[in-house]
Amino acid sequence: AQSVTQLGSHVSVSEGALVLLRCNYSSSVPPYLFWYVQYPNQGLQLLLKYTTGATLVKGINGFEAEFKKSETSFHLTKPSAHMSDAAEYFCAVSAPQGGSEKLVFGKGTKLTVNP
Amino acid sequence: NAGVTQTPKFRILKIGQSMTLQCAQDMNHNYMYWYRQDPGMGLKLIYYSVGAGITDKGEVPNGYNVSRSTTEDFPLRLELAAPSQTSVYFCASSPQEGSVNTEAFFGQGTRLTVV
Repeated sequence: AQSVTQLGSHVSVSEGALVLLRCNYSSSVPPYLFWYVQYPNQGLQLLLKYTTGATLVKGINGFEAEFKKSETSFHLTKPSAHMSDAAEYFCAVSAPQGGSEKLVFGKGTKLTVNP
Repeated sequence: NAGVTQTPKFRILKIGQSMTLQCAQDMNHNYMYWYRQDPGMGLKLIYYSVGAGITDKGEVPNGYNVSRSTTEDFPLRLELAAPSQTSVYFCASSPQEGSVNTEAFFGQGTRLTVV
């Protein structure tokens, strides 16, 4: 069964600083990987996804993530944080399991951006 | 562009009452899911469905029931509500690409309090 570990339940950065949110996964088959963002009192929306092909994927709002198979990681980065990036971020993995597919989510990382 | 619609947005239940959380999607997705979100715990899968007439248990199904009579609708039933079911509930749907889930679209959530 696949699983996801997000390192750090809270991350705080200054406006303009690098954002790095860490995600490691476990999967016995080649995974699909996702990052979702949740703003307060809203549902989750997709930031970016890796399915196949290029390992560096770019998403909305200037975020990107790199799939590193050797490290089983899919860390999310953004070069310069904006106040509007303050939200909770979830990493998720999907892989075939017994003929049906389910997204498995990490526990989330709450990002705070300080002025 | 309705996407995934959940009703109600908020509800307070008394212990022992029952209710149905409604979820509808207009994207003709085969896959639908119910998650609950508790602070610091990420999202936990309650039930999911891979198509009309087919449902299966997720990680935390106890105290809940679902049905999937149409592609569009996936209601979640709570019988004998308990305080432990106080949570935010999210419905999601996804298309199928090959044999792997490629992306989930989320509703805005239902915030349920059991008192």
